[in-house]
Amino acid sequence: GIQVEQSPPDLILQEGANSTLRCNFSDSVNNLQWFHQNPWGQLINLFYIPSGTKQNGRLSATTVATERYSLLYISSSQTTDSGVYFCAVDSSGSARQLTFGSGTQLTVLP
Amino acid sequence: DAGVIQSPRHEVTEMGQEVTLRCKPISGHDYLFWYRQTMMRGLELLIYFNNNVPIDDSGMPEDRFSAKMPNASFSTLKIQPSEPRDSAVYFCASSLIPGTQYFGPGTRLLVL
Repeated sequence: GIQVEQSPPDLILQEGANSTLRCNFSDSVNNLQWFHQNPWGQLINLFYIPSGTKQNGRLSATTVATERYSLLYISSSQTTDSGVYFCAVDSSGSARQLTFGSGTQLTVLP
Repeated sequence: DAGVIQSPRHEVTEMGQEVTLRCKPISGHDYLFWYRQTMMRGLELLIYFNNNVPIDDSGMPEDRFSAKMPNASFSTLKIQPSEPRDSAVYFCASSLIPGTQYFGPGTRLLVL
């Protein structure tokens, strides 16, 4: 099956700093999503981005499908950004069967 | 919409007991997914349904696990008999269009 690698595994930032999270995948995909799992365990959709670039407030994401990676940018980080960020991809053709990476644990210090 | 609803939010049971987890998808969504999250294995897809029909159950760990979707607004995941290694957070998710899955709050299961 498809392999999904996320880096870095852990990241500690001071409030206000910027960060870039990376997701590499081993096969072509027709679905890629970024999620944020907050400290209470809730999984929150950030982006559906199988290709191209999207922005939502302080967050933006870019997927370069031909080179099999995606980047999540967090600018002016806040303590509420803390949690685990997951990349999930699907290459099955159905765009339904998400395979999750192991996540990046982000801690933003006040 | 209230989002995906799961119940119970927490479940503590003893080994050998039957456990039933419940999910109500977002109204109008035609796909429903069950995932399990553990420290060792991360987030794994167990099974998914389309229009109430199971499409792929290859992620279901063993015969002790079963899932049903009797109608468009309700699904269950049952474990019988439960074992300590089933302890995990179980998520239900639903989607309408390809690629955008919305997750419920999860059920934290502890099997003693």
